[in-house]
Amino acid sequence: QSALTQPASVSGSPGQSITISCTGTSSDVGGYNYVSWYQQPPGKAPKLMIYDVSNRPSGVSNRFSGSKSANTASLTISGLQAEDEADYYCSAYTSSSTVVFGGGTKLTVL
Amino acid sequence: EVQLVQSGAEVKKPGESLRISCRTSGYSFTNYWIGWVRQTPGKGLEWMGIIYPGDSDTRYSPSFQGQVTISADKSISTAYLQWSSLKASDTAMYYCARSTSLWTGGDYWGQGTLVTVSS
Repeated sequence: QSALTQPASVSGSPGQSITISCTGTSSDVGGYNYVSWYQQPPGKAPKLMIYDVSNRPSGVSNRFSGSKSANTASLTISGLQAEDEADYYCSAYTSSSTVVFGGGTKLTVL
Repeated sequence: EVQLVQSGAEVKKPGESLRISCRTSGYSFTNYWIGWVRQTPGKGLEWMGIIYPGDSDTRYSPSFQGQVTISADKSISTAYLQWSSLKASDTAMYYCARSTSLWTGGDYWGQGTLVTVSS
């Protein structure tokens, strides 16, 4: 199984909105509503930000939202803040009953 | 409070065996999945596999099938990741993570265990 495709980097200024895409196939992203998004600051463990495409765990800011269309999922961060600077990864459940991650996207807050 | 505490950093030689652990507390160990994720230096996350301690149902990524073994000890609420013969390419940070289901993301993560394999 191949890794999901994410842009290597995105950037935005404080207060702006950014969107990170995550493209897979009909055997993973497109086949199930089981896409998750993680935030990983440098040197720290990943933190779950979105699960099941668009659900936020308790305690995660509502500035983070997720969506999906066909084989591409998206994470949108609105009202960008300096503390949002981190690496972001998507993951998806696959038809092989396994999980696959995306390659990761580095978010820079200008 | 849910906690996943991983064993400490390891330095091993190629060909040696190793088992790292993920000790859990604050929830019912047998009712959640525990997955393992690899992160090589400067690289992304790779899903290795997952186990349901309740019945020991275990799934592996094709990339890691046969390369590692995932297990769990219900009596001490601890999951394990083990290698029988390490390679230099196994050098990485390894994370354990709890999931409510096979398909849902990891909601609690361990702090990571750094494994270095070098002659």
